[in-house]
Amino acid sequence: DAGITQSPRHKVTETGTPVTLRCHQTENHRYMYWYRQDPGHGLRLIHYSYGVKDTDKGEVSDGYSVSRSKTEDFLLTLESATSSQTSVYFCAISALLQKSSYNEQFFGPGTRLTVL
Amino acid sequence: GESVGLHLPTLSVQEGDNSIINCAYSNSASDYFIWYKQESGKGPQFIIDIRSNMDKRQGQRVTVLLNKTVKHLSLQIAATQPGDSAVYFCAENRGAGKSTFGDGTTLTVKP
Repeated sequence: DAGITQSPRHKVTETGTPVTLRCHQTENHRYMYWYRQDPGHGLRLIHYSYGVKDTDKGEVSDGYSVSRSKTEDFLLTLESATSSQTSVYFCAISALLQKSSYNEQFFGPGTRLTVL
Repeated sequence: GESVGLHLPTLSVQEGDNSIINCAYSNSASDYFIWYKQESGKGPQFIIDIRSNMDKRQGQRVTVLLNKTVKHLSLQIAATQPGDSAVYFCAENRGAGKSTFGDGTTLTVKP
């Protein structure tokens, strides 16, 4: 398994509170991504990073911000959590242009976030 | 807008049979597609990918077929095993590694 960890793995919080999720990789991959997955649906891209301090928005970025100060860490922050942000959040990494695959992504184990 | 969809949300097969999971996409400019497997409580796991300049690609017990004319791809699993039970997603790559996922097909393998 690719060396990706997410913390916390589970979190319950209240509406209006700030929340930060952490993704940590040991693969030294350049690209990192945050997705959310809602019941019965596929993953939707929130934000992604193509290098230290280089980030961009995905398709569902409203209400989320990210930071990447080191290659190995990618943080996702909910400035003021809302119930609609209750979801499972997955981090992914990619080296891109790997010899064996055009664009293989490796996913972390996920963080289950509940906003009451 | 762009979308990636699967034809059936669930599929049930007998152990040992072949499984076929279908996916349709809308963006004719898409040039790379990926199939993922997601087991309960885990993140998606890469199975196989295919570029738009290919019609077919084979892996171990899996084959992906791409029909660009009708914007359709399929995942075939040979001799399906209980360990293949999971949710399967097709995803379209949109550059820089960003993927657009379909909603998934839940495959159940009956012993």
